[in-house]
Amino acid sequence: KQEVTQIPAALSVPEGENLVLNCSFTDSAIYNLQWFRQDPGKGLTSLLLIQSSQREQTSGRLNASLDKSSGRSTLYIAASQPGDSATYLCAVNYGGSQGNLIFGKGTKLSVKP
Amino acid sequence: GAVVSQHPSWVICKSGTSVKIECRSLDFQATTMFWYRQFPKQSLMLMATSNEGSKATYEQGVEKDKFLINHASLTLSTLTVTSAHPEDSSFYICSARGSASGRADEQFFGPGTRLTVL
Repeated sequence: KQEVTQIPAALSVPEGENLVLNCSFTDSAIYNLQWFRQDPGKGLTSLLLIQSSQREQTSGRLNASLDKSSGRSTLYIAASQPGDSATYLCAVNYGGSQGNLIFGKGTKLSVKP
Repeated sequence: GAVVSQHPSWVICKSGTSVKIECRSLDFQATTMFWYRQFPKQSLMLMATSNEGSKATYEQGVEKDKFLINHASLTLSTLTVTSAHPEDSSFYICSARGSASGRADEQFFGPGTRLTVL
């Protein structure tokens, strides 16, 4: 069964810290992997998409890495800010250009001022 | 670019009534749209996938006669919850994938619709 797991479920850090969110998947034959941000009661905002052939993607203070062989991806957030507080979701696409996403349960991040 | 809207953002209805939720891709053509449901503190669960002009493909355990999906155009899909019951109360989110420039593999998500059935 293809499953996506995110650890930890919740994380609280002081402002300014660098942090890493983890995502693991059971089947390494992925097509791509996306990281999303979800604010309470809101939809999803796509942060980064990594294709299976890529090792990492960067956008501003965010860096996502992908290690297919070990079934892992990490989202690195540098110099965290209170505005980064949200739930971060990892989702894996196994089905190619027509595939759907399998989501993890997310990591709820709280950045304290 | 690649904006998806949903309407309404929230709805409260009585048990037994039907509710229609719209999902629109505003600046690109969505060949495929997805409908998800999210319960409190849970992740998104895919309900169905619809391709423009075709019948939707429902995930196991999702009643197609209860959750009617129509994807009549490249920019609009609708989800109708028929004879809604309190257990249908949830956060419904749609996503779209299509011709957004250079991003054909990505799904773009709407802001969600909070459904409360009394």
